[in-house]
Amino acid sequence: SQTIHQWPATLVQPVGSPLSLECTVEGTSNPNLYWYRQAAGRGLQLLFYSVGIGQISSEVPQNLSASRPQDRQFILSSKKLLLSDSGFYLCAWRDSGISSYEQYFGPGTRLTVT
Amino acid sequence: QKEVEQNSGPLSVPEGAIASLNCTYSDRVSQSFFWYRQYSGKSPELIMSIYSNGDKEDGRFTAQLNKASQYVSLLIRDSQPSDSATYLCAVKGHFGNEKLTFGTGTRLTIIP
Repeated sequence: SQTIHQWPATLVQPVGSPLSLECTVEGTSNPNLYWYRQAAGRGLQLLFYSVGIGQISSEVPQNLSASRPQDRQFILSSKKLLLSDSGFYLCAWRDSGISSYEQYFGPGTRLTVT
Repeated sequence: QKEVEQNSGPLSVPEGAIASLNCTYSDRVSQSFFWYRQYSGKSPELIMSIYSNGDKEDGRFTAQLNKASQYVSLLIRDSQPSDSATYLCAVKGHFGNEKLTFGTGTRLTIIP
């Protein structure tokens, strides 16, 4: 069965500091991968998605970036965090080999920027 | 107009009753529809997907889709306290578009 991991689980960072969040998926090959952010009281916002190694699509222009260095690894980064970057960051995957488009979420990283 | 709209609630339902959650969407060419359950402080969990008009049943859950009315709903029969959570509706757009658009969710509370 497939498993998705995210770390760290929680993070408190000062404004202006860098950020690196990691997501890995086990038990599948060539998954489509997604980064979402859920701010307090708001819906899930798609930030980036990737259909393969090195292929990144950005949905929202901002001070975040994403990379996919390996098939089942997805990284979310920032050079300088803003207060508005606080939120619950969720990685998701789906099986690229089927057309159901069902996405499955990891446990998330709760980021507080102070 | 929001792309995917849900009543934020809270929706309170007695234990054992049917909970009815509703969602409307604005993109007429939307193809796929999903319901996620999110417990407080946790990540969303996929509970139902539906692609064709009509009803789809899975255990105590029934998803209903009406593309003409741009409306999707989730019924939970024999509601249990463990069903208390926020339910997110998600919609996928046209073919080839990877994006799921989420509603802001309906908070459901099952009263024992």
